[in-house]
Amino acid sequence: NAGVTQTPKFRVLKTGQSMTLLCAQDMNHEYMYWYRQDPGMGLRLIHYSVGEGTTAKGEVPDGYNVSRLKKQNFLLGLESAAPSQTSVYFCASSYHDEQFFGPGTRLTVL
Amino acid sequence: DAKTTQPNSMESNEEEPVHLPCNHSTISGTDYIHWYRQLPSQGPEYVIHGLTSNVNNRMASLAIAEDRKSSTLILHRATLRDAAVYYCILSQTASKLTFGTGTRLQVTL
Repeated sequence: NAGVTQTPKFRVLKTGQSMTLLCAQDMNHEYMYWYRQDPGMGLRLIHYSVGEGTTAKGEVPDGYNVSRLKKQNFLLGLESAAPSQTSVYFCASSYHDEQFFGPGTRLTVL
Repeated sequence: DAKTTQPNSMESNEEEPVHLPCNHSTISGTDYIHWYRQLPSQGPEYVIHGLTSNVNNRMASLAIAEDRKSSTLILHRATLRDAAVYYCILSQTASKLTFGTGTRLQVTL
């Protein structure tokens, strides 16, 4: 099992550009999550999904959109990137007692 | 949400036991105590969780105070690979985790 994978690993954007981060899991988990982590801080929840076709807002959803068209994939979109969105983005999935995290995507917005 | 308090940083010698404390005086009766750790440049990983009784697994032990207002994560023999940020999180389920800033554990030879 690959677990949770994220694509891409690194990306540099210019202000106003758009992009999509892809998260995939092969553990058949219902729940999936997108977090961001800024330097010296803990993770903050952006959006999450409790199953295919469902999404919900987390703690810091503004400026992001998500989609869960397939159970194994959870996409995070930035329609118009801003420097404040420079961060490391982590995807996770969960089943019962624990969350499984991906390796992260380091995004820089210039 | 109930809040946790952890020291910002701790140091340990390799092959010594490490006791990482967490205070949670406002814990509710249905809150589980979850511990995750984040190694440098990686995503967090699950360590252990418990409700009332002490818990052991291959990675660590979790000691929970009788009044549940504090807990301690115990690494029995720290190695250099255990150097990480350790997060203590209260949640009724694994789907509602709020990460604080955790405790940065340094392990030295």
